Amino acid sequence: GAGVSQSPRYKVAKRGQDVALRCDPISGHVSLFWYQQALGQGPEFLTYFQNEAQLDKSGLPSDRFFAERPEGSVSTLKIQRTQQEDSAVYLCASSGGPGVSVYNSPLHFGNGTRLTVT
Amino acid sequence: SQQGEEDPQALSIQEGENATMNCSYKTSINNLQWYRQNSGRGLVHLILIRSNEREKHSGRLRVTLDTSKKSSSLLITASRAADTASYFCASGNTPLVFGKGTRLSVIA
Repeated sequence: GAGVSQSPRYKVAKRGQDVALRCDPISGHVSLFWYQQALGQGPEFLTYFQNEAQLDKSGLPSDRFFAERPEGSVSTLKIQRTQQEDSAVYLCASSGGPGVSVYNSPLHFGNGTRLTVT
Repeated sequence: SQQGEEDPQALSIQEGENATMNCSYKTSINNLQWYRQNSGRGLVHLILIRSNEREKHSGRLRVTLDTSKKSSSLLITASRAADTASYFCASGNTPLVFGKGTRLSVIA
């Protein structure tokens, strides 16, 4: 596809359930980022991959959050034992095509997954 | 924590007027980027200004950067109803760190 694709678009989970959110980045993009956006706020960084390597996971709020990108393309963000405070929009972005510096490359965002924990 | 802070938090103008949004950031940067977000959608990249640049134009957008004051501004000229959105600045280190945004409403 032409852009970053995220699924599902909406997810309702009961407190305590596990969820998995998927991100399909733009083909060939080296870098992949996950952000969490609360209502009325800016995106907050969660974690970052360069190819399959997770280079920074300092933004993950707890050990209930886990992300992977095993083959350097599709990524999954997993949240175990969801809590109400996990309710937010989870945004995925990719950047850095062939020959492009990842340090000066704009991010291409998907439309996000809106997670509601009841 | 968020690196940048946009000002104002909300702005309402008439169609045809200019809209100015400001951004302050905390640490040194390689570049600064501005993004737009329509309701219920992801962010869309608007413009990138490098740390050695002072001003940049793209269509109806004009961005300035003052590294001595750690601030940037985004000017949208001749605004249209379709410009209604939230606008975010982001510091150009990896990972990008976003501010809280300015919610712009352009009234037709």
